[in-house]
Amino acid sequence: DPKIIQKPKYLVAVTGSEKILICEQYLGHNAMYWYRQSAKKPLEFMFSYSYQKLMDNQTASSRFQPQSSKKNHLDLQITALKPDDSATYFCASSQDRGQNTLYFGAGTRLSVL
Amino acid sequence: GQQVQQSPASLVLQEGENAELQCNFSSTATRLQWFYQHPGGRLVSLFYNPSGTKHTGRLTSTTVTNERRSSLHISSSQTTDSGTYFCAMAQVVGQLTFGRGTRLQVYA
Repeated sequence: DPKIIQKPKYLVAVTGSEKILICEQYLGHNAMYWYRQSAKKPLEFMFSYSYQKLMDNQTASSRFQPQSSKKNHLDLQITALKPDDSATYFCASSQDRGQNTLYFGAGTRLSVL
Repeated sequence: GQQVQQSPASLVLQEGENAELQCNFSSTATRLQWFYQHPGGRLVSLFYNPSGTKHTGRLTSTTVTNERRSSLHISSSQTTDSGTYFCAMAQVVGQLTFGRGTRLQVYA
């Protein structure tokens, strides 16, 4: 019974389109994150949120926009998709931003054609 | 920037053999963690181990902070141990830097 739900599990998009990746956590955590894993790079940090506020942003492109409508939600909107955006996007959470253990969702595998 | 180097990149074992995975990091790390990624993709935290030795089941993690290294020992490997093992560290709170992982394959 996964406590961090990511939807969809798989996503295919065409170049130039826009997609939203959904993440909900039911662990009662206050901090949420997005990470990306591609064939070319190791797992890399993208964003961190704490109490629905953006704390850190390591993503150079403004095409990636996190959205937090509720404390336990952190969606990721990606606009003007490019083939290089193809990757598995992982959502994670921790009790608080300084907490040591991160819990990860199963990921959304995005393919941009 | 921060770097995390893992070795070996891949490892093939016969069931019952032991495995030793290494992690070296470029700066004095805090929040050193080991993760396991299932073949299907899900990431699971194994250890938070910034220093010293920790055990859980057949797994042992040892981190020597001043030597900037950590190891993960798997004893009596099983086919279900197959997957990818990641070392990650954080100097900035909430931002983990991952290594490229060690892909482990255990055959019966």
